[in-house]
Amino acid sequence: AQKITQTQPGMFVQEKEAVTLDCTYDTSDPSYGLFWYKQPSSGEMIFLIYQGSYDQQNATEGRYSLNFQKARKSANLVISASQLGDSAMYFCAMSGGMGGSYIPTFGRGTSLIVHP
Amino acid sequence: EPEVTQTPSHQVTQMGQEVILRCVPISNHLYFYWYRQILGQKVEFLVSFYNNEISEKSEIFDDQFSVERPDGSNFTLKIRSTKLEDSAMYFCASRGGGEQFFGPGTRLTVL
Repeated sequence: AQKITQTQPGMFVQEKEAVTLDCTYDTSDPSYGLFWYKQPSSGEMIFLIYQGSYDQQNATEGRYSLNFQKARKSANLVISASQLGDSAMYFCAMSGGMGGSYIPTFGRGTSLIVHP
Repeated sequence: EPEVTQTPSHQVTQMGQEVILRCVPISNHLYFYWYRQILGQKVEFLVSFYNNEISEKSEIFDDQFSVERPDGSNFTLKIRSTKLEDSAMYFCASRGGGEQFFGPGTRLTVL
């Protein structure tokens, strides 16, 4: 069974500083994908970044980067140069299995507040 | 940029009524999903759909739920007889390659 753990229920960061949101996972599948989503107060889920288990390099998308440490089973999200609009819930999720459909597992989320 | 759309954005219904939540996935995607998120809780998988049939479903997806792809573009979730505990945000998602793209959600309120 897959499991995603986000241990930080809430995080605070000063505007323009970097912040790391933690995510650890557990799976027996050799092939899996890791995702981060942002959920603003308006409720929609916004895809941020994806990392495949076989990807050699850490994924980056603009100010978002995924610090993927396979041996530690961690997939932390790093947001550089935080902006006020980054204040939101952030969910880590994991998929597994080869091809076809799959059931992604979501963590409980981390609430990020960016202070001016 | 292609996106998943959902209608309505907010649905209010009386307990026991049927509701249909609609989704238009990204056009070249083949895998479709429904999730729900009860207020303040994590996102929960309901069902996945591929090749015009359900491929996986969770224990939440009981007999009162059904999904359908009535035409080439829409993907619907029907709740036959709503209960108070069905109040939640319902997200549709579609997938072509590695990542899923979520719609903006429908907030369902059951009174």
